[in-house]
Amino acid sequence: EAQVTQNPRYLITVTGKKLTVTCSQNMNHEYMSWYRQDPGLGLRQIYYSMNVEVTDKGDVPEGYKVSRKEKRNFPLILESPSPNQTSLYFCASSSRQGTLYGYTFGSGTRLTVV
Amino acid sequence: GQQLNQSPQSMFIQEGEDVSMNCTSSSIFNTWLWYKQEPGEGPVLLIALYKAGELTSNGRLTAQFGITRKDSFLNISASIPSDVGIYFCAAMNYGGSQGNLIFGKGTKLSVKP
Repeated sequence: EAQVTQNPRYLITVTGKKLTVTCSQNMNHEYMSWYRQDPGLGLRQIYYSMNVEVTDKGDVPEGYKVSRKEKRNFPLILESPSPNQTSLYFCASSSRQGTLYGYTFGSGTRLTVV
Repeated sequence: GQQLNQSPQSMFIQEGEDVSMNCTSSSIFNTWLWYKQEPGEGPVLLIALYKAGELTSNGRLTAQFGITRKDSFLNISASIPSDVGIYFCAAMNYGGSQGNLIFGKGTKLSVKP
């Protein structure tokens, strides 16, 4: 089944403790992206990647890092999480194929930083 | 940065009614997308629009890419309870910063049986 898989689904952590949220897609998609969703703010893009070793900042990149060493994986790294990073995070991927078909989203990771 | 203004913020309707929501921007885009998000899940793509003036249907859903390329609307006809969810518009300029897909803040739809 074609899908975007994020792990974990839920995570509670303490301020300052480094964490990584993994994202993997099995569709051989070139594009991958991370979003955070907060009440009243919709979905805001954190980082995106257009291919292996090609990443760029989205609208809210502060406090986050990403890497794209392999086409299928796009982990999101919080080096020193803070309470304002408590949010619902989504990974997404898309194929180019001549036109952009829109991102396919994972099921989300709910992160709480205390 | 670029922003999408989506309205209304929420809607409470009776089953069987038609629904209309729209999205506007001060920026021009060459791709408009509409997503639906159900509780506990990620957004799912409903309709994609690639040409100004394009009108596309997906079952009871119809969406249009505005002729100015700065807006789009989504209509749902004869709503049913399973239409409940949050609907998001999204836009990007394919060919430029191709990964930079931005979203509106969503329209929360509630349907009363």
